[in-house]
Amino acid sequence: EVQLVESGGGLVQPGESLRLSCAASGFTFTSYWMSWVRQAPGKGLEWVANIKKDGSETHFLDSVKGRFTISRDNAKNSLSLQMSSLRAEDTAVYFCARGGSYSDFWGQGTLVTVSS
Amino acid sequence: DIQMTQSPSSLSASVGDRVTITCRASQNVFNYSAWFQQKPGKAPESLIYDASNLRRGVSSRFSGSGSGTEFSLTISSLQPEDSATYYCQQYSRYPVTFGPGTKVEIK
Repeated sequence: EVQLVESGGGLVQPGESLRLSCAASGFTFTSYWMSWVRQAPGKGLEWVANIKKDGSETHFLDSVKGRFTISRDNAKNSLSLQMSSLRAEDTAVYFCARGGSYSDFWGQGTLVTVSS
Repeated sequence: DIQMTQSPSSLSASVGDRVTITCRASQNVFNYSAWFQQKPGKAPESLIYDASNLRRGVSSRFSGSGSGTEFSLTISSLQPEDSATYYCQQYSRYPVTFGPGTKVEIK
């Protein structure tokens, strides 16, 4: 069974940093691009970033370029999103998803709240 | 960026009704579109990919069609468990973008 379990969310102040993690199981992690997608409270879905199977290529939403970094540890079947210089508008549930563009399985998400 | 629009924004229908949601892309996305279902407090679930392919395990009452700039999701016989918000997505070009969602309610 495919499982994606996110962790690391929480309440941070504007300008602070936070690192999200996603533990993957039930599939061959190295065979898939992986993505992060977020959803602000009461709003729609917004793709954030993705990373190639071997970590050699990444893509980002313009509004997070230079602030967010996506990485993966294929030995640990783990995906990460390092977020810095956080803003109020980054407040959202962050979903880890299998697939780089079309994502067929999603985790349950972790809530990031940026507020003073 | 490619903008995705959906219509209607919400609808209310009866059990057994045929329901169609439309999605339009601001540019040609070929067949690189998908549909997702999201229930309150839950993660999105994939229904359709590449415009018309049903993801394995998804009920056959869901179907997708279209190409280029116009796509549709049809529920052939609405069931109570289909009450949810439905999102279209394009993945032809970065950034990947989603439509604003269509909320489906059961009368």
